Amino acid sequence: QKEVEQNSGPLSVPEGAIASLNCTYSDRGSQSFFWYRQYSGKSPELIMFIYSNGDKEDGRFTAQLNKASQYVSLLIRDSQPSDSATYLCAVTSNDMRFGAGTRLTVKP
Amino acid sequence: GAGVSQSPRYKVAKRGQDVALRCDPISGHVSLFWYQQALGQGPEFLTYFQNEAQLDKSGLPSDRFFAERPEGSVSTLKIQRTQQEDSAVYLCASSWGGTPSSYEQYFGPGTRLTVT
Repeated sequence: QKEVEQNSGPLSVPEGAIASLNCTYSDRGSQSFFWYRQYSGKSPELIMFIYSNGDKEDGRFTAQLNKASQYVSLLIRDSQPSDSATYLCAVTSNDMRFGAGTRLTVKP
Repeated sequence: GAGVSQSPRYKVAKRGQDVALRCDPISGHVSLFWYQQALGQGPEFLTYFQNEAQLDKSGLPSDRFFAERPEGSVSTLKIQRTQQEDSAVYLCASSWGGTPSSYEQYFGPGTRLTVT
């Protein structure tokens, strides 16, 4: 079992819809949780981080963390074609572990 | 300010050659990380420095891989006797924090290594 699991997708949503990306992790000692966006051929760029249970909102993005369920998610509201990318979930305890990423396509 | 830079951006090596990949972190960042990213996969942790100290090298796949950060700023990842399975993008990231969980990491553009 991989330490950080994500659905590989592709996830396809129409422009303006809500995209929901999910991630589960195995290490209960994990402390910090990050979402990165990676465009094809580019390096990961940080979108959001969350440390505490609950929701954290930043513009069109909301990160949700449930440590009891070992689950973290990212919601993208009013999805735009420019949001089309691979979204990487990363979890840290002693080091940072990434999921394989979910490929999101937003169709105009 | 300047972000994380890496050089070379692309490297083609013949099997058996040694390669050295360089990372310049964001100025003042304490922590530096190396990752290996295969096509279609997420980055895999290789090693981590806090200043000049290599605190974790558990992700290095073999003793052919060696990393250093002698003055606590620039880092070099060296791969000896390259093999085809070493072909990947090597990402460097840096962070303000002293531990991996303390602050977010900022990534460089990566070095794409192809071993022929």
